[in-house]
Amino acid sequence: QKEVEQNSGPLSVPEGAIASLNCTYSDRGSQSFFWYRQYSGKSPELIMFIYSNGDKEDGRFTAQLNKASQYVSLLIRDSQPSDSATYLCAVKETSYDKVIFGPGTSLSVIP
Amino acid sequence: EPEVTQTPSHQVTQMGQEVILRCVPISNHLYFYWYRQILGQKVEFLVSFYNNEISEKSEIFDDQFSVERPDGSNFTLKIRSTKLEDSAMYFCASMAELAGGGETQYFGPGTRLLVL
Repeated sequence: QKEVEQNSGPLSVPEGAIASLNCTYSDRGSQSFFWYRQYSGKSPELIMFIYSNGDKEDGRFTAQLNKASQYVSLLIRDSQPSDSATYLCAVKETSYDKVIFGPGTSLSVIP
Repeated sequence: EPEVTQTPSHQVTQMGQEVILRCVPISNHLYFYWYRQILGQKVEFLVSFYNNEISEKSEIFDDQFSVERPDGSNFTLKIRSTKLEDSAMYFCASMAELAGGGETQYFGPGTRLLVL
């Protein structure tokens, strides 16, 4: 059974701080990795995708991928109260179209 | 900005009834998905669809479920005989491969299904 694991949180950070969200996955052959933000009662919103080892930056967000360690992370710089949401890590399997989601990490940014 | 749309936003049905959930994916996307999310739980993959056929399905997607792309724009999920445990939010998503590598997958707003 292929799994994606995340700390459920809640993770609380003060406004302006860096929030660090972590994700591990079990399928070593996974190729594509996604970070979604989900507000309560809403659909997942894609904020980052990454498929190469290393860092990928987009505005205040940086995704980091380490395939050897089967680890992907998301850093949110200058966290804002509007960043308070559940962050979902998702992994796409090799050669298949199945996308597996982790349980999500709840982030709370305290003003 | 293109978006995935879903109808209806809410559906209430009696156990044993058939429901059809509808989705209009982003027009130039080639891969389509249905997911569900039971309240308070994680997003679960149901089925993926490519080139007018199912490419992958989960163990949840049993004979009660079917998908169809009837007219080249709509993408539907049918549940033939609903059970109480089918109550969930159902999300449609579509995905495109990017020229420089990688993929983007966008979700619709969801249909909240309640089976009584």
